[in-house]
Order: sequence, then structure tokens, then C-alpha cells
Amino acid sequence: GAGVSQSPSNKVTEKGKDVELRCDPISGHTALYWYRQRLGQGLEFLIYFQGNSAPDKSGLPSDRFSAERTGESVSTLTIQRTQQEDSAVYLCASSPYTYGGETQYFGPGTRLLVL
Amino acid sequence: SQKIEQNSEALNIQEGKTATLTCNYTNYSPAYLQWYRQDPGRGPVFLLLIRENEKEKRKERLKVTFDTTLKQSLFHITASQPADSATYLCARRSGTYKYIFGTGTRLKVLA
Repeated sequence: GAGVSQSPSNKVTEKGKDVELRCDPISGHTALYWYRQRLGQGLEFLIYFQGNSAPDKSGLPSDRFSAERTGESVSTLTIQRTQQEDSAVYLCASSPYTYGGETQYFGPGTRLLVL
Repeated sequence: SQKIEQNSEALNIQEGKTATLTCNYTNYSPAYLQWYRQDPGRGPVFLLLIRENEKEKRKERLKVTFDTTLKQSLFHITASQPADSATYLCARRSGTYKYIFGTGTRLKVLA
């Protein structure tokens, strides 16, 4: 079946602009995660969705970052007034479990470059 | 705070040898640890999960151990092949939903 998809695959933007990153999880997966991966670094947790609610937003680095999920499927990560330090790969993962979601299935990521 | 530490230096080994990667964690032992493989420009792919009460787990040429005394997991690839070259990530759950990943160890298998 289809895996996790993300769009766009690459995004170049100017500092101060807003960007929207999209994630389409595997159908039926109730758990959804967003991560950020800077060059040469590990994955940095941003936010977790259980269904349409986000019980853990602790990883969002600032109030410029927000995310939503609708219909227990598609999720959008929005970064407002982008800064150069926001340049990174943004990865989305989904899991069939709600609590203790074990295996995460990752998308290919969106490579964001802020000039 | 909880941390996952992996050797950030690349590991180069000869084809056919066994590669051993280390994952050390801090604070209390998690209920389980996960290992993922990441190829350049791709998202991580799940490989193995080992639970706290499991000392060892195997899957084909892969073997993972979990030592709660040392707070360490070892990941072994036997009879390594150039196709095994990738970055390997260790992860643990932190709190109810959040996961912490290590920075990964880059493995290069030389033909």
C-alpha cells in the first residue's frame, strides 16, 4: 500500500515568508509525528497528533510554528515569518497505534531552505 | 533530561565483517528501544524494536541487545554488505508520546 507522503519535497523561501508543509499519513494510522532534522543532526521531535488532537506540542520551537490535522488524515505544519535557522528537513511519521505507538513509518521529508 | 548518545564518527568496515553500533541512554530505562536505518535524502526506516525484558533480538543478519545495567543497546550487522551502508538511528520514548532519537552512526561497508 501507499506509504507516508509529504509535499513539497523541496521548498526554497525568503526570510520572513510563511510556509506550509503537508503530510499524508498511511490510511488508518491514528498517530502522527512531525520531526525536524538539521544537517548532520538527529531527529528533533516537534509535535504528536492522536487523531485530530495534539496532546504533545512540546517540541515546537517557537510560536511561529503551528500544526493541525484534519479528518484524522492530512496534517499541515506551518512556519510563519521563516528564519534562516528554520532551514532543515521536516519529516512526518505515522503509526497505527495511539498510545505507545511503536513502529513509525516515515515520509521522505520536505527540505526547507530559507534564504 | 533524557538523552540518546550514538557515536557520531563514521564506522568503516570491510565487507563480510560484523558491524557493531552503540546506543547509550540516560536516566531510567525505557520500555523499549528502536533502531532505524536512514539513507541519504530519505526518511528513516524501522528495523528492530527490543523491549526492556528482552536481552537480545534477531532479524536475519541483524541482532540487537539491550543491557539495562549499562544503559546501552548494541546493534550488530553480521556478514555486512556494501548495501548495508547507511546511517543507523537509535530511539527511545520520552514521556507518553514523545520520541528522542540519537544523531545516528554512519556505517560504510567497503567492498
